[in-house]
Amino acid sequence: GAGVSQTPSNKVTEKGKYVELRCDPISGHTALYWYRQSLGQGPEFLIYFQGTGAADDSGLPNDRFFAVRPEGSVSTLKIQRTERGDSAVYLCASSRTGDNYGYTFGSGTRLTVV
Amino acid sequence: DQQVKQNSPSLSVQEGRISILNCDYTNSMFDYFLWYKKYPAEGPTFLISISSIKDKNEDGRFTVFLNKSAKHLSLHIVPSQPGDSAVYFCAASRNYGGSQGNLIFGKGTKLSVKP
Repeated sequence: GAGVSQTPSNKVTEKGKYVELRCDPISGHTALYWYRQSLGQGPEFLIYFQGTGAADDSGLPNDRFFAVRPEGSVSTLKIQRTERGDSAVYLCASSRTGDNYGYTFGSGTRLTVV
Repeated sequence: DQQVKQNSPSLSVQEGRISILNCDYTNSMFDYFLWYKKYPAEGPTFLISISSIKDKNEDGRFTVFLNKSAKHLSLHIVPSQPGDSAVYFCAASRNYGGSQGNLIFGKGTKLSVKP
């Protein structure tokens, strides 16, 4: 597709449930990033993939959060035992390796944990 | 501790005038800086960037200035247009180009351009 696609656009879940958020990057982009944006804050880095491997997962807040990118394209962010504090907009971005012009973000998934 | 700070949560400017958005950073290892623009319900959109070897980069109505000694950068929009109304995020990277690593974002400044 022309841009980064994220599904679903909105997700409401109950505390303690498991959720999966999907990201379809721009075709040919080898780098993929997940960020989280809480209300009134800027995007906060979670994890960065180069191809299929996680090159940097230092932003994942705890072991309830996990992300995969098995074929080097689509990525899934998985959150176990969701908590109310996980409520945020989860943003995915992709870029060509060596791109000097910043990467392209998707519109995000708004996750609400009730 | 915030490494990238945007101390003005909001800014209101008259159409046609100049908008100046400011950003301060604390980490002297940052070598690449970017500005993103965000409309409601959309992801941030890349606007303009500057590497630490430059002090100015211009693209149409948008100019970014970098003062390394002060660890300060600013985004100038002139003339401002109502369509520029959005939240502007400053971001920094320790890897030139940003695509090799993660970006550190400020909290954003909401710009309102009044007709």
